[in-house]
Amino acid sequence: GIQVEQSPPDLILQEGANSTLRCNFSDSVNNLQWFHQNPWGQLINLFYIPSGTKQNGRLSATTVATERYSLLYISSSQTTDSGVYFCAGTSWGKLQFGAGTQVVVTP
Amino acid sequence: GAVVSQHPSRVICKSGTSVKIECRSLDFQATTMFWYRQFPKQSLMLMATSNEGSKATYEQGVEKDKFLINHASLTLSTLTVTSAHPEDSSFYICSARDRPGSYNEQFFGPGTRLTVL
Repeated sequence: GIQVEQSPPDLILQEGANSTLRCNFSDSVNNLQWFHQNPWGQLINLFYIPSGTKQNGRLSATTVATERYSLLYISSSQTTDSGVYFCAGTSWGKLQFGAGTQVVVTP
Repeated sequence: GAVVSQHPSRVICKSGTSVKIECRSLDFQATTMFWYRQFPKQSLMLMATSNEGSKATYEQGVEKDKFLINHASLTLSTLTVTSAHPEDSSFYICSARDRPGSYNEQFFGPGTRLTVL
């Protein structure tokens, strides 16, 4: 299966700061999703973005499928943005997750 | 977005007993559902693909007799952990696509935290 690499593994931000999370894939994927896992374990769908750029409030994502990477931008971070961010890509019908980026936003 | 529910959210059981976890798609029908397992501080690992009306497909290394999956309707899949042992303690999460097709968006349930004493 494909390998999914996320960076950085950990990120500490002060409230109000901006940040970029990266996701690299070892092979082409047919689907790419970004998730936020809250402290209770619930995975929240952020973006379904096989290619192109999407924005939702303070979050935006860009996927460059030909270069096998995706970026998640968090602007004006808030303490509620804390948690683990996962990217995942579908290959051969299966969603493969990266190891995640642990984000901590401090007041 | 589509809603997936799981029940129970948390279960504690004694070693040797069996535990059943339910996964429901609330506002859509799902011919295919997925079961994942997540250990603390780790990522999600796919255990099996649940297909309505047919046998589940298990990932390599997952014991099908240990983790029984039944997908009896288009809105319900169940995972039964048989003869549970402490090493089965984990966070189990199910997911489903709200539209047919292998590459469409997946939606996840809130997870079930299993503790085996």
